[in-house]
Amino acid sequence: DQQVKQNSPSLSVQEGRISILNCDYTNSMFDYFLWYKKYPAEGPTFLISISSIKDKNEDGRFTVFLNKSAKHLSLHIVPSQPGDSAVYFCAASGRTSGSRLTFGEGTQLTVNP
Amino acid sequence: ETGVTQTPRHLVMGMTNKKSLKCEQHLGHNAMYWYKQSAKKPLELMFVYSLEERVENNSVPSRFSPECPNSSHLFLHLHTLQPEDSALYLCASSRNPEASYNEQFFGPGTRLTVL
Repeated sequence: DQQVKQNSPSLSVQEGRISILNCDYTNSMFDYFLWYKKYPAEGPTFLISISSIKDKNEDGRFTVFLNKSAKHLSLHIVPSQPGDSAVYFCAASGRTSGSRLTFGEGTQLTVNP
Repeated sequence: ETGVTQTPRHLVMGMTNKKSLKCEQHLGHNAMYWYKQSAKKPLELMFVYSLEERVENNSVPSRFSPECPNSSHLFLHLHTLQPEDSALYLCASSRNPEASYNEQFFGPGTRLTVL
């Protein structure tokens, strides 16, 4: 039972354009959502998060949008840079699970110069 | 040393060997986690330790045995593994194990290959 899904295994964009990574969840108890970035041979690094009381959170080039009614969140990167090429994981946690995270499968983003 | 460190970074072992993975966090956190990442699959939570006490064991086979001697150190003891156990093993820590509004910080992982 995959509670967090990233349906696009890969995404390729041109440098300078917008990258949009999507994530869907099924568990209505999730109230905190995170995005992690992972380079090869490294562990995931925290990128940005959003709580369920908000619908948008912005940090520099990165913005996360949350649509609770659709159980959908997205990560926007603009402008995209070649150094953004990595695997992006969506994760969620909920009131009943404490800090335990449920991860999606990841999306490989490639930003072409 | 800062953040979360893991040793070794790479490990090749036979099915009859016994080895241990080590994780150390320098963040003053109270919870530590072991995850398994297999190719093209989500990170799978294996174990959770809160204040050195194991609070979760996600149906992990007994050939994986965790140990948390203090809040800064976490081990994963391995014995009689199978080739399908080959994966990236990630350690993470977080400040408050009971709060959903805090992120986990990951180590670089140990790439394990079982022959």
